[in-house]
Amino acid sequence: EVQLVESGGGLVQPGGSLRLSCAASGFTFSNYWMHWVRQAPGMGLVWVSHINSDGNTRRYADSVKGRFTISRDNAKNTLYLQMNSLRAEDTAVFYCARGAKTGTTPLGLDPWGQGTLVTVSS
Amino acid sequence: DIQMTQSPSSLSASVGDRVTITCRASQGISNFLAWYQQKPGKVPKLLIYAASTLQSGVPSRFSGSGSGTDFTLTISSLQPEDVATYYCQKYNSAPWTFGQGTKVEVK
Repeated sequence: EVQLVESGGGLVQPGGSLRLSCAASGFTFSNYWMHWVRQAPGMGLVWVSHINSDGNTRRYADSVKGRFTISRDNAKNTLYLQMNSLRAEDTAVFYCARGAKTGTTPLGLDPWGQGTLVTVSS
Repeated sequence: DIQMTQSPSSLSASVGDRVTITCRASQGISNFLAWYQQKPGKVPKLLIYAASTLQSGVPSRFSGSGSGTDFTLTISSLQPEDVATYYCQKYNSAPWTFGQGTKVEVK
């Protein structure tokens, strides 16, 4: 069974840092692009970042560029999101998701992890 | 960056009704569009990819259409279990922007 399990969320003060992890199992992790998506309380989905299968290509939403860094360890089947200079508006549930594909053609995000809550507050 | 605009933002319909949600891209994205369903308190689920291909296991009352800038998600006969928020997402290139969501309720 394909499974994604996020961890690392919690309460952090404005200006602080946090590192999220996403442990993958049930598929060949190194073959897939991976993504982070966030959802503020009561709000919609916002794409945050993605990383290609070997970690050499990374893209970010403008709202997090320069503050967040996506990375992966294919030997550990784990995706990361290092979040620095956190702001109150970063408060959200953060989901990791696998980039679905056929061959090299992307097909969306499937599956998604259960999410981890990040709260930025003093 | 390409913007994704969904309409309506919410709707209420009766069981058995046909429901249509639209998603418009500010520039052409070919068919690189996905639809997701997020039930209350649950994780988003991929419903449709490539604008019109149903993900495995998704009921056939769901369908998608469109290409370029205009897309549609249709529920042919609304069921109580379809209460959810539906999102479109473009994935032709980064950023993989989502629409703002459409909340579907049953009368």
